[in-house]
Amino acid sequence: GAVVSQHPSWVICKSGTSVKIECRSLDFQATTMFWYRQFPKQSLMLMATSNEGSKATYEQGVEKDKFLINHASLTLSTLTVTSAHPEDSSFYICSAKRESGETQYFGPGTRLLVL
Amino acid sequence: KQEVTQIPAALSVPEGENLVLNCSFTDSAIYNLQWFRQDPGKGLTSLLLIQSSQREQTSGRLNASLDKSSGRSTLYIAASQPGDSATYLCAASSWGGSYIPTFGRGTSLIVHP
Repeated sequence: GAVVSQHPSWVICKSGTSVKIECRSLDFQATTMFWYRQFPKQSLMLMATSNEGSKATYEQGVEKDKFLINHASLTLSTLTVTSAHPEDSSFYICSAKRESGETQYFGPGTRLLVL
Repeated sequence: KQEVTQIPAALSVPEGENLVLNCSFTDSAIYNLQWFRQDPGKGLTSLLLIQSSQREQTSGRLNASLDKSSGRSTLYIAASQPGDSATYLCAASSWGGSYIPTFGRGTSLIVHP
């Protein structure tokens, strides 16, 4: 298999607080993990690519100081939404790929609601 | 830049019909093309993955074809059931430093009894 999990599955927070989302590859080592965002009725948009042990690469228009990504191990990447605001409410999905191969395996997603 | 379009955006059919969902992509230099299912408020479930060297993949009542030269893929659902109701996304992976999937907006399918 190639199972990717995310935690939490959904979270509600107050405006101004920070929220951390975890992405784990359960049965394989993921040298690269990806973070996507999906707004209602929209498709998934890539936010950033993270490689284990190095800084993440952010897509144009994504604020790196607002969306902190840490990929400290071969099985875990975290996305921290700092000082969250209602417009950050979205569905965040991560994916991971093995060192060999290019197929991405997707997590179940985390729904964030900022009040 | 890869762009992926899915047609139709929405589809409502009676149970038992055979369906064709369409996906087109602008850059034919893809690594693979993947079809996903997404239930409301849920994550992605991978249905079929077609490598660039392949023409089609089958799983149960689902068949996906790939024609790179024309930039098209179709997902065929045979004998549709109410449980097939969901949004179907296609994603074409192209090179962008790594092979990054570009997603279409999806086809929202309702199969009514």
